[in-house]
Amino acid sequence: KQEVTQIPAALSVPEGENLVLNCSFTDSAIYNLQWFRQDPGKGLTSLLLIQSSQREQTSGRLNASLDKSSGRSTLYIAASQPGDSATYLCAVRPDGSARQLTFGSGTQLTVLP
Amino acid sequence: GAGVSQSPSNKVTEKGKDVELRCDPISGHTALYWYRQSLGQGLEFLIYFQGNSAPDKSGLPSDRFSAERTGGSVSTLTIQRTQQEDSAVYLCASSIPSGRGGTQYFGPGTRLTVL
Repeated sequence: KQEVTQIPAALSVPEGENLVLNCSFTDSAIYNLQWFRQDPGKGLTSLLLIQSSQREQTSGRLNASLDKSSGRSTLYIAASQPGDSATYLCAVRPDGSARQLTFGSGTQLTVLP
Repeated sequence: GAGVSQSPSNKVTEKGKDVELRCDPISGHTALYWYRQSLGQGLEFLIYFQGNSAPDKSGLPSDRFSAERTGGSVSTLTIQRTQQEDSAVYLCASSIPSGRGGTQYFGPGTRLTVL
C-alpha cells in the first residue's frame, strides 16, 4: 500500500527566504506526482504536476523535483512571501488503471512579514 | 471558466439522518473523484467515476456510503444513517484523464458536521 510522508509538518520562515518542502513515497510505481496548496477552510489548488518520466517542473517562484527511484519529491519556493502561507500537500497517482491520489499529511507553512 | 462547484458548503445534521452532497465538475471533464478530509486522517480517496465505466468504489468506508453520477456530469454522494465519525470535509475533483497528465481540479468542499 502506498504511503506518502511529508516533512516537516510545520515550517515558519521570515519573508524573503528560500525554502524546501519534502515529500517521500514508499512505492515508486507512480504515474505522476502533484503538489497542491490548501488555504484554511478552502479546497485544494493545484500547483505543479510532474509526470513519472520528468525530473522537475517550474511555475514562477515554484520548482518541484522528482526522483522516482528513491521515492522523493521536493517543492522549492523562492523568495517566500506572506501570501505563500498555506498548507502544502503532495499526492501521487499510481501506475496502472487506478487514478485516485494518495496524499501526504501536508506541511503547514507560515511566512512571517 | 468555472471550476468544480460543490453544495452545500456546510451541512449540519443529526446522527442517524441521511445526507446528500452534490458536485458539479468542470465542463468536459470525464473523470470525477470524491475524497474525504478529516482531522487525524488526512485526505482519503472515496470513489472515482470515469465516463460510462463502472465506478471504482474501493475507498468507500462502509455500505452507508454511495455515490452516483448522472449523465456523466453531476455527482451526488449519499451518506445514510450518519455517524459522528462521518464528520469531515468532503472534496470533489474532476479531470481529463488524458489531458495535462490528468491534473485533478478540486472544489471548495462540503463541511459535514454530524451532531
